[in-house]
Amino acid sequence: EAGVTQSPTHLIKTRGQQATLRCSPISGHTSVYWYQQALGLGLQFLLWYDEGEERNRGNFPPRFSGRQFPNYSSELNVNALELEDSALYLCASSFGMQYEQYFGPGTRLTVT
Amino acid sequence: GNSVTQMEGPVTLSEEAFLTINCTYTATGYPSLFWYVQYPGEGLQLLLKATKADDKGSNKGFEATYRKETTSFHLEKGSVQVSDSAVYFCALRAGGTSYGKLTFGQGTILTVHP
Repeated sequence: EAGVTQSPTHLIKTRGQQATLRCSPISGHTSVYWYQQALGLGLQFLLWYDEGEERNRGNFPPRFSGRQFPNYSSELNVNALELEDSALYLCASSFGMQYEQYFGPGTRLTVT
Repeated sequence: GNSVTQMEGPVTLSEEAFLTINCTYTATGYPSLFWYVQYPGEGLQLLLKATKADDKGSNKGFEATYRKETTSFHLEKGSVQVSDSAVYFCALRAGGTSYGKLTFGQGTILTVHP
């Protein structure tokens, strides 16, 4: 069974640009979660999508947004990039809120 | 709000030593508790979980018991191997406005020497 996949592996952007990160969940999983792992700040919850709807959001500004497609894959968009957005962005999926989350390998975003 | 506190690291052990990584939590209600492991350059892997008080999660020789009276979920392994070197994260999932969200501890770096 294929795990959670994320693309791209690495992404380098300039301050002020937009970044788009993609995630494909494990087959059968309907929930997708996004987390930011910034150096020294640990893992912070960003967004949760289930059945195409945003269900919960972490303490991040509105320039962090995303969506979930009918095939349950998801996209995270970060607008007006700032240097402090440099981090590893992890996507996870689960059968639903009550089930354990399985993580992908992450996308390393570097903002210069 | 909900929070998870892990013992400060890094932790350095010799192969076959006993491992304990302490984890305590603060949460409303009855959270589910998890341990995740992150190997260098990789994402997180679920190591074990417990969903109610006195549950013991176990996997690959690691185990942790959900202790509601002490709000703890300490990770233990009787004999560590070099291949166990990684970062270990304790996490909780609560309800209410925290639906769907995992709250993580700061992570503990474990290095095992031959």
